[in-house]
Amino acid sequence: AQRVTQPEKLLSVFKGAPVELKCNYSYSGSPELFWYVQYSRQRLQLLLRHISRESIKGFTADLNKGETSFHLKKPFAQEEDSAMYYCAVRGGATNKLIFGTGTLLAVQP
Amino acid sequence: GAVVSQHPSRVICKSGTSVKIECRSLDFQATTMFWYRQFPKQSLMLMATSNEGSKATYEQGVEKDKFLINHASLTLSTLTVTSAHPEDSSFYICSVEGAGGGEQFFGPGTRLTVL
Repeated sequence: AQRVTQPEKLLSVFKGAPVELKCNYSYSGSPELFWYVQYSRQRLQLLLRHISRESIKGFTADLNKGETSFHLKKPFAQEEDSAMYYCAVRGGATNKLIFGTGTLLAVQP
Repeated sequence: GAVVSQHPSRVICKSGTSVKIECRSLDFQATTMFWYRQFPKQSLMLMATSNEGSKATYEQGVEKDKFLINHASLTLSTLTVTSAHPEDSSFYICSVEGAGGGEQFFGPGTRLTVL
């Protein structure tokens, strides 16, 4: 079964520190991996997807098929990065998105 | 990206009543719409997938007779929580997706509180 694991419920860092939000997945086949972000009082929005291999707002994520991971990284955290981050996997015929439990990133000044 | 609205944004109802939540895609032909629920401090759980003009596909454990979904057009899907009970209190979120898959665009959510 498809599953996404985000081991950290809360990650607190100081401004300027590096950030790594962990995501591991289990899926047989070739999944699509995503990171979604939800800022306070805003709707969920796509941050990035592995197939586009781009950097959004300074964040990057590399799909490691050997470790089945898709960790989200940013070298220097900013206060405005504080939000809830969800890793998600999609694949198969149904196109369903399966979300992880989310990690709350708190960037302290 | 698509602009997705939900109405109402917040609803409080008495136990036993039915509540209808609308999800509208304002500028996007939504071939597929998804309904999620999110309990406090928990992740989004997919409830059902609806394709325009056909019956919704429900996830395991979701009662189709309790959560009625109608996707009558490419811009509107409704979720009706029938005979609501306090345990149905949650945040309900819809998302839309165009033909051929691609990015899902999410609505702002509807907070349902059943007294």
